[in-house]
Amino acid sequence: ILNVEQSPQSLHVQEGDSTNFTCSFPSSNFYALHWYRWETAKSPEALFVMTLNGDEKKKGRISATLNTKEGYSYLYIKGSQPEDSATYLCAFINNSGYALNFGKGTSLLVTP
Amino acid sequence: GAVVSQHPSWVICKSGTSVKIECRSLDFQATTMFWYRQFPKQSLMLMATSNEGSKATYEQGVEKDKFLINHASLTLSTLTVTSAHPEDSSFYICSAPKPGSNNYGYTFGSGTRLTVV
Repeated sequence: ILNVEQSPQSLHVQEGDSTNFTCSFPSSNFYALHWYRWETAKSPEALFVMTLNGDEKKKGRISATLNTKEGYSYLYIKGSQPEDSATYLCAFINNSGYALNFGKGTSLLVTP
Repeated sequence: GAVVSQHPSWVICKSGTSVKIECRSLDFQATTMFWYRQFPKQSLMLMATSNEGSKATYEQGVEKDKFLINHASLTLSTLTVTSAHPEDSSFYICSAPKPGSNNYGYTFGSGTRLTVV
């Protein structure tokens, strides 16, 4: 079992606020880091797949960075909207396998 | 594209009975399907990996005789929880690699909430 930690566990922000979450993972044998957005009763939606140290990816108001040497990734949401409310999961894959090792997620609530 | 349909979305069963969960790949062929479960306030944990036409591979601590996995076709994988007990109550979700993904992109079902009473 590979230890993937996410913080904070939950977050409550006002509409328009910008926010960020952290995912930490083992820095050895890195292969890929995934971010998912997961709404209740729906399938997790892939946001980013990150593979290279220093990667920065952006999708609309959401962006992510990756540091494989120190084993962390940040997810940023700029100008949060109520529809951003969801659980954000990160998952790590190492060189020796193909399975996703998930963190517990960060639950985001954005209120108007 | 690359949609996985999972059914049922929730199920309540009596202790001692068996429950079958289905995952179908609707618009692609899934040679591999991953099965995860999530207990409250915990992370999704891999239970087993099913491969079409061969035996499933189970993670350490997962009883293969209790969680029967069948992957008889390229579009259907099933997980049967046999002789279910209240401690099997959990959230189960399947996932398959997206076709053509070199960086292990995955698509997920919507999950099944199992409650054993």
